Amino acid sequence: SQQGEEDPQALSIQEGENATMNCSYKTSINNLQWYRQNSGRGLVHLILIRSNEREKHSGRLRVTLDTSKKSSSLLITASRAADTASYFCATDAIQGAQKLVFGQGTRLTINP
Amino acid sequence: DGGITQSPKYLFRKEGQNVTLSCEQNLNHDAMYWYRQDPGQGLRLIYYSQIVNDFQKGDIAEGYSVSREKKESFPLTVTSAQKNPTAFYLCASSMLGRETGEFFGPGTRLTVL
Repeated sequence: SQQGEEDPQALSIQEGENATMNCSYKTSINNLQWYRQNSGRGLVHLILIRSNEREKHSGRLRVTLDTSKKSSSLLITASRAADTASYFCATDAIQGAQKLVFGQGTRLTINP
Repeated sequence: DGGITQSPKYLFRKEGQNVTLSCEQNLNHDAMYWYRQDPGQGLRLIYYSQIVNDFQKGDIAEGYSVSREKKESFPLTVTSAQKNPTAFYLCASSMLGRETGEFFGPGTRLTVL
């Protein structure tokens, strides 16, 4: 069952601009995580935000979480060509075993 | 270097054959996971294991089998019962009880000819 829904499915911006991706989910969560996947590779963990946190920063990444709306956003500031990748949100639900449910992903393209 | 490895990177099999994908980690992680990814899609959980000699079905376990005889290893067998096995398979591991995220291997691309 796919819990995360990501928006947009694809995003293309110019280098230096900011990129924002959104994720919505359905059930109560312990935390929400964002991952990056370069084409044909495994996923890389970017950032984790707990259900009692509203905002978190890591370098050029900013993640927000609104549990009342069951949504999260990932902002990448001052984008670079190397940021071109697919980005996935994943939720760790409160009920059940410790396992993640991934969204469909946002394909981000940074144009030089 | 600590990490998670998958082999082979590319795998071809004839229809009707079983094939086993390898996944090994030296991160001392308790939990291991297998996901399937189809083109342009997200990840779907096949099986996961939180301790040795125990594993649970994920969302799409039919046609797959796993074993967890050692903490470091979690091989996945794609059986002939899997109707559409061509996909990208990803293995991951994580620490239980700690919110550190999952570490992923590089993946195995399986093509059924």
